[in-house]
Amino acid sequence: TQLLKQSPQFLSIQEGENLTVYCNSSSVFSSLQWYRQEPGEGPVLLVTVVTGGEVKKLKRLTFQFGDARKDSSLHITAAQTGDTGLYLCAGDWGGGNKLTFGTGTQLKVEL
Amino acid sequence: DARVTQTPRHKVTEMGQEVTMRCQPILGHNTVFWYRQTMMQGLELLAYFRNRAPLDDSGMPKDRFSAEMPDATLATLKIQPSEPRDSAVYFCASGPSGEETQYFGPGTRLLVL
Repeated sequence: TQLLKQSPQFLSIQEGENLTVYCNSSSVFSSLQWYRQEPGEGPVLLVTVVTGGEVKKLKRLTFQFGDARKDSSLHITAAQTGDTGLYLCAGDWGGGNKLTFGTGTQLKVEL
Repeated sequence: DARVTQTPRHKVTEMGQEVTMRCQPILGHNTVFWYRQTMMQGLELLAYFRNRAPLDDSGMPKDRFSAEMPDATLATLKIQPSEPRDSAVYFCASGPSGEETQYFGPGTRLLVL
């Protein structure tokens, strides 16, 4: 069973601070996705990374795929209260749309 | 604004009862997934379908769970008999052919007493 470990598990910060969330595996992904989930809702896709070393930016969010395609990070600059939620990475090992989700990072951004 | 819909949104039942959860995927999406989310296990894939055919249900307890797609607009997940350990949020997601993106519904929150 492929495992995706995310760290930290919980993160509580003040608005305006920066943060980084990590997603690690011992296996190589064909692609990796990041989702955000808000209370009472399903996960919503933020980004997909495919190429080793790839960096993608989505406003204040920066996503990086490791060179070896075994890990990824999500960096948020100047966090806002609207960034609060559960961040999930999900790996595709080439199984045809089949994703394995990480353990999740619960982020709380306070005023 | 196309969305995946799930019914019911909440379900409270007693141990031993049958539970049926329904999902309407986004029109035109040919891949449908069922997930279960708990605090302890996170988000786990139970089963998924492509073009209504089951491709993988290895994550699903076979003795009590069953998943079907009677037609392209309806996917069902049934638990019979239900047990307290089945308490979780069950998500349905759909995706278009050739894309990795999955679009999740709002989930069914199940509590088995």
